[in-house]
Amino acid sequence: DADVTQTPRNRITKTGKRIMLECSQTKGHDRMYWYRQDPGLGLRLIYYSFDVKDINKGEISDGYSVSRQAQAKFSLSLESAIPNQTALYFCATSDLHAGDVTGELFFGEGSRLTVL
Amino acid sequence: KQEVTQIPAALSVPEGENLVLNCSFTDSAIYNLQWFRQDPGKGLTSLLLIQSSQREQTSGRLNASLDKSSGRSTLYIAASQPGDSATYLCAVVNDYKLSFGAGTTVTVRA
Repeated sequence: DADVTQTPRNRITKTGKRIMLECSQTKGHDRMYWYRQDPGLGLRLIYYSFDVKDINKGEISDGYSVSRQAQAKFSLSLESAIPNQTALYFCATSDLHAGDVTGELFFGEGSRLTVL
Repeated sequence: KQEVTQIPAALSVPEGENLVLNCSFTDSAIYNLQWFRQDPGKGLTSLLLIQSSQREQTSGRLNASLDKSSGRSTLYIAASQPGDSATYLCAVVNDYKLSFGAGTTVTVRA
């Protein structure tokens, strides 16, 4: 089984619908992240969480919300999806090393979302 | 704001040739830099992580160098194979966050 699992892997929805993307990890990492990837733009950070009680906005958080249900689970919600939220979404985790700001990132397989 | 650039955007080489992929960043106050591989429709796989105090990291045919003062990292892949065809992304860490380049898409021709 994958260390970082995302569901669903593919989703097509309509404008205005609420969508939730889920992420679970078995690596025991404290830090979890949500990124979106668009062609030619690289990955951009949506939200990140350093532990269950610590959630922070990234560079493109407008239109998104998150929930850290447990150390192993981090969900991304689009309350009212719009077409420009069509993208490939990635969840990632990292360890917290003593003396380091951040450790190596591990990614899920991605969730492809299409908003019509 | 950290800006990460990868040039070229795409690269095609014959099998056996060495690959040189470039990554540049504007803010040299980084904590570490990570190189990833992404296959079409797949997630990102970590290749190498270079801490800010290091100059290079090696893993098999892969070698990554880091020059913080000039804001550059280079990924070398020796003796390329068709299986090396993928998109390669670099990411730098500042202030708890990663900034990604847009990637270099590599095609290795058999």
